[in-house]
Amino acid sequence: EAQVTQNPRYLITVTGKKLTVTCSQNMNHEYMSWYRQDPGLGLRQIYYSMNVEVTDKGDVPEGYKVSRKEKRNFPLILESPSPNQTSLYFCASVGTSGGETYEQYFGPGTRLTVT
Amino acid sequence: SQKIEQNSEALNIQEGKTATLTCNYTNYSPAYLQWYRQDPGRGPVFLLLIRENEKEKRKERLKVTFDTTLKQSLFHITASQPADSATYLCALERGSNYQLIWGAGTKLIIKP
Repeated sequence: EAQVTQNPRYLITVTGKKLTVTCSQNMNHEYMSWYRQDPGLGLRQIYYSMNVEVTDKGDVPEGYKVSRKEKRNFPLILESPSPNQTSLYFCASVGTSGGETYEQYFGPGTRLTVT
Repeated sequence: SQKIEQNSEALNIQEGKTATLTCNYTNYSPAYLQWYRQDPGRGPVFLLLIRENEKEKRKERLKVTFDTTLKQSLFHITASQPADSATYLCALERGSNYQLIWGAGTKLIIKP
């Protein structure tokens, strides 16, 4: 089954404690992206990657890091989380593996709370 | 900069009627526009894409229109069902690299 997986689904942590949210896709997509979703706001892009070892900042990259060492994986790293990073995070990938060109496939989301 | 407006108030529709959701944008006309469905606590799911040279697109009970003069897209669900209740997101192409700008979504509630 074509899918994007994320782990963990829920995470409560404290300010300053480094964390990583993993993302993996099995569709051989080149493009992957991280978004955050906050109430009343549209999805905002944090980082994206056009291919292995190619990453770029989105609209709200401050406080986040990413890496793309393998095509299928695109982890999101919060080196020193702060309460304003409490949010719902989504990983997405884009490709043409049988779907509509430009269709974005989303993971199930990671709800992060930073106290 | 490009802004997207979707009705922030929930839309309540009686089962069997047609639901119409609106997506307005303020600046340039995008090369394409997408609609997604999002259920509570889950990731958005792609529904339809319409390109700037297409006036209308259909998929089963769904219909999307794209009016570049009005800078507006309408999303219709005909013969609505309670299972159609969800938040619907509009997203506009904003250049290269699959970049999108997203609306905040409209919550649709279909009452039996």
